[in-house]
Formats: sequence, structure tokens, C-alpha cells
Amino acid sequence: DQQVKQNSPSLSVQEGRISILNCDYTNSMFDYFLWYKKYPAEGPTFLISISSIKDKNEDGRFTVFLNKSAKHLSLHIVPSQPGDSAVYFCAARDSGGSNYKLTFGKGTLLTVNP
Amino acid sequence: DSGVTQTPKHLITATGQRVTLRCSPRSGDLSVYWYQQSLDQGLQFLIQYYNGEERAKGNILERFSAQQFPDLHSELNLSSLELGDSALYFCASSALAGANTGELFFGEGSRLTVL
Repeated sequence: DQQVKQNSPSLSVQEGRISILNCDYTNSMFDYFLWYKKYPAEGPTFLISISSIKDKNEDGRFTVFLNKSAKHLSLHIVPSQPGDSAVYFCAARDSGGSNYKLTFGKGTLLTVNP
Repeated sequence: DSGVTQTPKHLITATGQRVTLRCSPRSGDLSVYWYQQSLDQGLQFLIQYYNGEERAKGNILERFSAQQFPDLHSELNLSSLELGDSALYFCASSALAGANTGELFFGEGSRLTVL
């Protein structure tokens, strides 16, 4: 049972345009949501996070939106740059415990074309 | 550079064999996590250790085991290997005493190929 779902395996956008990556979840106990970016031959790196008590968090070109009623979050990248081309993983943390185990989606491959 | 070191980076072995993957967490981090990424799959949580003790367990097979040593490095042991065990194995660490945003720091991964 996939608790974190990224339904789009890939996304292609033009440089300068907006990239929107989507993520759905099923577990109401998730209290933190994170986005990780992964380049080939590297480990995932943290990009941005949002607490379940907020609906928006912004960091430069990256904004994450959370819609708790729909159990949906999205990552907006504006403007998109070729260097943003990578696999983006959505992840969620279960609030039931002191550990920081994250549940990941399968990832979305973003390609930004020059 | 995340500060998390994993060895070996690549490993090719045969079915039925046993391998050990090693991870050194970031300086000061007490928690170590192991994740498996198979083809077309997301990162599957295997197991977490905190300061030498097992803290959480995920979808880890009985043929797999892990431990965290007093110097906080961790090893993931995979035995009786099968073709389906071929995957990228990531180690991550976190500072539980620090920020509570759940951020993990990942190593570059160990790519295991079972032939």
C-alpha cells in the first residue's frame, strides 16, 4: 500500500516556465512533508519542507503548497532552470514516534529544456 | 557533500552470496537509516538505528540484517542474495537532537548487482 504517491513519472518543461510536481498521500498521521532532489549517481538532497500546520512554504524559486483536506501537496519551481533537471521525491514523516522515518514516493523525473 | 559516507560504491556478486555495506554518518548524527531503491521504485525504508539501538523497522527481509557500532558507523548485511536484491542501497543520517523537520542527509549509495 503506497502511502505517498507521485503519479507522474516524468515532466518536461521549458526553461523559464513553471514546473509543478504533485504528490498525494493517504496517511493522516503525517506531520511533515519534504521534497528531495536527486541527480544521477548522487544521493537525494533535501530541497524544502512544510509542516502539516501550514499551507505554504517558500524558499527562493521553490514553493511547496499543502492541501490537507485533499491530502495533496505540490512543488512549484519558478522559473525553471536546466540545472533543476533531476528526480524529485516527495516524502512524509509519521508523527507517531520520535524517529524520523520518512516514507517516499517513487519520484518524478523533471527535465527542463533550454 | 552530505557528510555521509558509504562504501563500496559498486558491488557485483553472485546469487547465494553475502555482502556487507558500510555507512559512516555525518559527524554528530546519532541516527542511521537504510533505504533500498529498486528499479522503478521509490526509496523503501529498511531499518533505523539510534545510538546503537534499533529504533524502527520497515520492509526489511529476514535475509538482511544491520547494526550500528559504538563509533556510530553502521553496516547492512545482505545474505543468500537473490537477483531481486539488485538495487541501490542508501544510508542516511539525522540529528535527532536538532531541528525537528525530519530532514535526512543521504550518502551517495551503494549499487549492488546480483548476477
